[in-house]
Amino acid sequence: NAGVTQTPKFRVLKTGQSMTLLCAQDMNHEYMYWYRQDPGMGLRLIHYSVGEGTTAKGEVPDGYNVSRLKKQNFLLGLESAAPSQTSVYFCASEQRGYIRSNQPQHFGDGTRLSIL
Amino acid sequence: SQQGEEDPQALSIQEGENATMNCSYKTSINNLQWYRQNSGRGLVHLILIRSNEREKHSGRLRVTLDTSKKSSSLLITASRAADTASYFCATGRRDTGFQKLVFGTGTRLLVSP
Repeated sequence: NAGVTQTPKFRVLKTGQSMTLLCAQDMNHEYMYWYRQDPGMGLRLIHYSVGEGTTAKGEVPDGYNVSRLKKQNFLLGLESAAPSQTSVYFCASEQRGYIRSNQPQHFGDGTRLSIL
Repeated sequence: SQQGEEDPQALSIQEGENATMNCSYKTSINNLQWYRQNSGRGLVHLILIRSNEREKHSGRLRVTLDTSKKSSSLLITASRAADTASYFCATGRRDTGFQKLVFGTGTRLLVSP
């Protein structure tokens, strides 16, 4: 079982360049999330999706866009990269449960992104 | 910010000793979760405790939750060098369909042989 797979693992970009981070899960989970992790801070939610074809903004969505065309994939895009977006990006998935049910999230190993 | 606070920020112990980490939060929750992160890796779910539970065990892990004090603790007994990692608490609230997890800043645990 691969679980949650993120590609690429590392990337260096120049300011103004664009790129897409890919997250794929093989657990048939409904919910998927994109977080960023910065030194001294907890993970912060960028965008999330509650199902194929649906996305929504999280806590820090500015400068990012997402798409969920297939249930197993969740893409995070940076249209014009800025140094402030240097971070480690994590994707997570979660099984859909009953209303107000409690489920753990399953994380990928992250993408380390540097913007010069 | 509704970010949780973890204490201590760093903890250094010897193998065989117990490690205790604390987490405080600010809002009402449905659950509280603990995750481990090894260097350069993603977060791995350890244990989830519901808001109506007070204590939960999983192997060498013991988690307590005091909703009146808005705090939780994670105890790792008989620690091993392999337990060296960062540990994060995350409070879970389910709003309109999705579960909002708010993470703490983590405790870095170093277990020396």
